[in-house]
Amino acid sequence: DAKTTQPPSMDCAEGRAANLPCNHSTISGNEYVYWYRQIHSQGPQYIIHGLKNNETNEMASLIITEDRKSSTLILPHATLRDTAVYYCIVRVGKLIFGTGTRLQVFP
Amino acid sequence: DTEVTQTPKHLVMGMTNKKSLKCEQHMGHRAMYWYKQKAKKPPELMFVYSYEKLSINESVPSRFSPECPNSSLLNLHLHALQPEDSALYLCASSQVSGNPYNEQFFGPGTRLTVL
Repeated sequence: DAKTTQPPSMDCAEGRAANLPCNHSTISGNEYVYWYRQIHSQGPQYIIHGLKNNETNEMASLIITEDRKSSTLILPHATLRDTAVYYCIVRVGKLIFGTGTRLQVFP
Repeated sequence: DTEVTQTPKHLVMGMTNKKSLKCEQHMGHRAMYWYKQKAKKPPELMFVYSYEKLSINESVPSRFSPECPNSSLLNLHLHALQPEDSALYLCASSQVSGNPYNEQFFGPGTRLTVL
């Protein structure tokens, strides 16, 4: 079973930051936090992952709380092409997808 | 080349047909995966191959038969499927399996319809 809880849907205005929360209160010390997204009818796309520290790459930033029980994915300037289902996954081995957050970016 | 390719993109088959799905990667990855995704549901892991050997079978019915002929190719052979097997079948690869800091790269999927 997935070990994460995400809101089922969120909206964001184009050009604004999209902040997607994820709760993982039962995360173990050796489990990583991964984010993937899936644009309609395409394969999931890797976004970012982290263990303890905050991470940033060209796509997004990942903020992990100090107790590691929750995290936030930040898309700094959302575009219409960022409309997708975003999956937060905690893993040490297999990827187990939860139900994700459907992000709708509107003009 | 950071791409996982899958063929065909779409497949329609009858319940008595035998067909195969193909997946290919040229990233030098030694782990490859099959996932199944039903409409409006998240992907579910079916099989994991590590160094061309089957390492995980998530209790998948025998009408699905995976094959890894070499480190770049992964097949999924289909026989006597049921209409409820209609889904998007996703292939993925990673450097090795079971390593939490190796991300998986996914292909675009094959959309299968069983009549």
